[in-house]
Amino acid sequence: GAVVSQHPSRVICKSGTSVKIECRSLDFQATTMFWYRQFPKQSLMLMATSNEGSKATYEQGVEKDKFLINHASLTLSTLTVTSAHPEDSSFYICSARGTSGGKSSTDTQYFGPGTRLTVL
Amino acid sequence: GQNIDQPTEMTATEGAIVQINCTYQTSGFNGLFWYQQHAGEAPTFLSYNVLDGLEEKGRFSSFLSRSKGYSYLLLKELQMKDSASYLCAVSIYNTDKLIFGTGTRLQVFP
Repeated sequence: GAVVSQHPSRVICKSGTSVKIECRSLDFQATTMFWYRQFPKQSLMLMATSNEGSKATYEQGVEKDKFLINHASLTLSTLTVTSAHPEDSSFYICSARGTSGGKSSTDTQYFGPGTRLTVL
Repeated sequence: GQNIDQPTEMTATEGAIVQINCTYQTSGFNGLFWYQQHAGEAPTFLSYNVLDGLEEKGRFSSFLSRSKGYSYLLLKELQMKDSASYLCAVSIYNTDKLIFGTGTRLQVFP
């Protein structure tokens, strides 16, 4: 199956600093990657859709200047949380779109292992 | 608007069968995914339904009725390791987006 990696898996930072999270598709090319945030005991909330070589599309209520997304290649997207605050502490998960076994009408999203961000 | 509902929690006994329901009301529908997520880990893909009917894959089956806006995930011969959250997600037509339901936390007891 398709493999997506994320780095780092855990990060603890001080309030006001910036944190960069990398998402890589290891064995396939992903023209589209997605960034989600998940608070404890809640479901995944889509933050933004990232297309290679173009600006990310952010969901309503997500600050684009705070959550900077770069999708510089077909295998790498990065999310930078700028000037992080304690309320940004969450589980950040990326996904990359691959093929779903011949069902051509849509593609399966494969998820990275997630990054646990704690802002002190 | 987008609305996807699942029961919050369910419990079942090892070896039993459990059905997790998902109802959706979305603006545009392409297909429905089921994912399994263990605590602190990323979701893993279980199944994908585009057409009405039942898709069977080992111990797991997924059903879809597009006219009713309804899906279920059926887990047979439950094992302790099946204790996890189960997320249904709707793929929105003409976009790349997946909209996730609230998730169902399943606890399997011996």
